Amino acid sequence: QSVLTQPPSVSAAPGQKVTISCSGSSSSVGNNYVSWYHHLPGTAPRLLIYDNNKRPSGIPDRFSGSKSGTSATLGITGLQTGDEGDYYCATWDTSLTVGVFGGGTKLTVL
Amino acid sequence: VQLLESGGGLVQPGGSLRLSCAASGFTFSNYAMSWVRQAPGKGLEWVSVVSGNTGNTYYVASVKGRFTISRDNSKNTVYLQLSSLRVDDTAVYYCVKGPERGAFDIWGQGTMVTVSS
Repeated sequence: QSVLTQPPSVSAAPGQKVTISCSGSSSSVGNNYVSWYHHLPGTAPRLLIYDNNKRPSGIPDRFSGSKSGTSATLGITGLQTGDEGDYYCATWDTSLTVGVFGGGTKLTVL
Repeated sequence: VQLLESGGGLVQPGGSLRLSCAASGFTFSNYAMSWVRQAPGKGLEWVSVVSGNTGNTYYVASVKGRFTISRDNSKNTVYLQLSSLRVDDTAVYYCVKGPERGAFDIWGQGTMVTVSS
């Protein structure tokens, strides 16, 4: 069982918007930056969002991040079939002194 | 900027293995380096980190006492020594730059470790 809780799956039609939640605790999400990753089988995960809401260069502005209290959210607009795959949130847990990932959310673009 | 892992393979339960990760394209000694794994059909799991300057190390509870992370800044390389391996250590092991304020920004392609008799 992961320290960070994500929904197992989400789906939406091409061109639509989807959000993925990530719930943690005061020692993890509540007091540390959250990052988000996209992972396709057989490839290396890719950083999408860091510092809760910043995008690395090359990541389109269709991807956004936010955080409130002990929860964070990834938003994806203008869905494309290439957005399918697994999405993970991550942060540091200050109390446990470990890195933590969410359980992952599988996105299907119908 | 690149991370290249090596050292994975098939090992029997109770055996040992050493993973290596060669970094290039950034000032290696300035950054913490982590290992993250993904077991078959499971999600990503952070395993361990070694800081860039002090060499402080941290581990997930399930590998504490069995795995050892280390780095050689003169060789731009980070290592993960896996000992007392168990079947549930079977996974793709990724070498990752970070965390930097909680983010892992550069990932290697991964190396497969299979623990089986």
